[in-house]
Amino acid sequence: GESVGLHLPTLSVQEGDNSIINCAYSNSASDYFIWYKQESGKGPQFIIDIRSNMDKRQGQRVTVLLNKTVKHLSLQIAATQPGDSAVYFCAELFGGSNYKLTFGKGTLLTVNP
Amino acid sequence: ETGVTQTPRHLVMGMTNKKSLKCEQHLGHNAMYWYKQSAKKPLELMFVYSLEERVENNSVPSRFSPECPNSSHLFLHLHTLQPEDSALYLCASSQEIEVYSGNTIYFGEGSWLTVV
Repeated sequence: GESVGLHLPTLSVQEGDNSIINCAYSNSASDYFIWYKQESGKGPQFIIDIRSNMDKRQGQRVTVLLNKTVKHLSLQIAATQPGDSAVYFCAELFGGSNYKLTFGKGTLLTVNP
Repeated sequence: ETGVTQTPRHLVMGMTNKKSLKCEQHLGHNAMYWYKQSAKKPLELMFVYSLEERVENNSVPSRFSPECPNSSHLFLHLHTLQPEDSALYLCASSQEIEVYSGNTIYFGEGSWLTVV
C-alpha cells in the first residue's frame, strides 16, 4: 500500500515485545498531547491523549508518558502485535490555540512475527 | 470505518485542470478540517470550518479553495496546482472545534493527489 513520510525514524520489534516510541515536542506552552496511529493506506487514528497536568496515562495495552522538563512524550505498547505495525505520530496543542494541532514527523513501527 | 468518507481516493490531474476533493462525515460533528500530508513534511493543517464557517486558513495558497455547504460536507477545489502539491489530502471532523480530551478528531482515509 501507499505510505507517506518515507524518511521516518524506524523501530523494529519482535511480536510479543514491548515497544517504546518517542517524541520531542517543541513548545513548552503546549498543554494537550495526542498519539495517532496511521496504517498503510489509511488516515490517522486516535490512540491515546494526555493533558499537561498529568505525567502518565494508560489505555488498553498503551501507556503515554509526558516529561515536561525535557519536552518529551513517549508511547509504550505492551505485547506488540503484527497489527500494531504502522506509523505513529504525536501531536501537540499550543496553549494559544484550541484547535491547531502540530504533528510530529512520525515513527514507523514494524513488528516481526 | 471512521465515519469520514473521502472521494476520490486517487486523483491525477494536470497543472491546468480544475478538480475537487469531496469529504462527507456521518458523525453529526460540527467541525471539519482539511490537512495535507506529504513525504517531506509532517501533517499540516490547511483549513478549519466550524458550523459551516471558515475559522482558519493556515496560509494556504489560493489555488486551494475550500467549500463547506453544510456541516456534513466539505470540498477542496483545486485549480492550477503545481507538482509540489502532490500529497495525501486528509479530511477530518470533530464534535466541536476545540480539541480536548473527549473531543477526538476523526480522519478520513485521504485522497492521494498527483499533479503532473
